[in-house]
Amino acid sequence: GEDVEQSLFLSVREGDSSVINCTYTDSSSTYLYWYKQEPGAGLQLLTYIFSNMDMKQDQRLTVLLNKKDKHLSLRIADTQTGDSAIYFCAEERGYSTLTFGKGTMLLVSP
Amino acid sequence: GAVVSQHPSRVICKSGTSVKIECRSLDFQATTMFWYRQFPKKSLMLMATSNEGSKATYEQGVEKDKFLINHASLTLSTLTVTSAHPEDSSFYICSAPRQGTGEQYFGPGTRLTVT
Repeated sequence: GEDVEQSLFLSVREGDSSVINCTYTDSSSTYLYWYKQEPGAGLQLLTYIFSNMDMKQDQRLTVLLNKKDKHLSLRIADTQTGDSAIYFCAEERGYSTLTFGKGTMLLVSP
Repeated sequence: GAVVSQHPSRVICKSGTSVKIECRSLDFQATTMFWYRQFPKKSLMLMATSNEGSKATYEQGVEKDKFLINHASLTLSTLTVTSAHPEDSSFYICSAPRQGTGEQYFGPGTRLTVT
């Protein structure tokens, strides 16, 4: 298919790790992205990974890329209530145009 | 801090009027910017690619005469919703890629309500 797929909802407890998964479709994507959107706000670039990398770590965030399976994941360590938001996975399909998944709503409970 | 700004953040207008939304890259030049539309609880839909110095490229199904795009400078793109109707009510977000990197930044969005 042509869609970027994400699970719609994830609930975790504060202090746990969160893992948000995404599958994409274009094996020629150069970059893959994770964005965070809080209610009524725009998209905040969390991290991105170049397609020739398998992993990228940035403080509490770890991105894993499996190109063979076209699978991307975002792990948030020590999840906090402030991490509650919608997380979008996106792939670049050439000329910087991005195709987004429908977003995963992360709910962090105290 | 923000690297892409949008103005206004929210606007209410009457049916039949036109509304202009500005998107600015704050600390880098952007020869290309993108305009997206987001429906409630939905993903972002790419509307068009704004190209500095040339015509915008519209996605299939997006009316170019209704959504006018002007990329007047390397830091400013504008989207004008002409003859707005209630079905145009939506959240409009722009983005700008920082050339030479993989970074692409989004503006804070503009909530348009057409009454």
